[in-house]
Amino acid sequence: DTEVTQTPKHLVMGMTNKKSLKCEQHMGHRAMYWYKQKAKKPPELMFVYSYEKLSINESVPSRFSPECPNSSLLNLHLHALQPEDSALYLCASSQEIRETQYFGPGTRLLVL
Amino acid sequence: DAKTTQPPSMDCAEGRAANLPCNHSTISGNEYVYWYRQIHSQGPQYIIHGLKNNETNEMASLIITEDRKSSTLILPHATLRDTAVYYCIVRGLTSGTYKYIFGTGTRLKVLA
Repeated sequence: DTEVTQTPKHLVMGMTNKKSLKCEQHMGHRAMYWYKQKAKKPPELMFVYSYEKLSINESVPSRFSPECPNSSLLNLHLHALQPEDSALYLCASSQEIRETQYFGPGTRLLVL
Repeated sequence: DAKTTQPPSMDCAEGRAANLPCNHSTISGNEYVYWYRQIHSQGPQYIIHGLKNNETNEMASLIITEDRKSSTLILPHATLRDTAVYYCIVRGLTSGTYKYIFGTGTRLKVLA
């Protein structure tokens, strides 16, 4: 089983809203990732968690706030986003930080 | 960081082998080559990976040149469902952390 689930599938939010994206895996993986993908571009790494601790922050603006409450769950809290933040947000997980990553289906975000 | 270069698009007739090339001329000795595909804005799907030796699984074969500066992903009998963007990725240790470095991808179109 290599399933990573993400909710919601689609999200529309205004620039003053606060929302959260959720990612879950039950494969016992200890590394989890957030990527952002703009149309017709490859995914770009945002954050990496390893053993529930933030390992990498790729200089992401503070309006994006990650959280890893436990080893199976990864959240991305969104606040005061801009229209240019509209994108597909992908979550991935791997057994360890150096192992093969498995991606979820993504959340398509539209900021109005 | 090692980077990858891929042709932007390719066509392949259904039932024929699809050979997708990737150049990674600056790859380091301990950096792996990974291949993923992404079907119409779904999450990237893992296909195969390798370090030095050629690899084969139920989805594809990966041929890595002896100098490791390039590789080819082979889908032996392409079907219409193989139409997707294929990403060649180098995974290595960067600033003390393992990260995927995505190429720009090849858009493969399988023709009936």
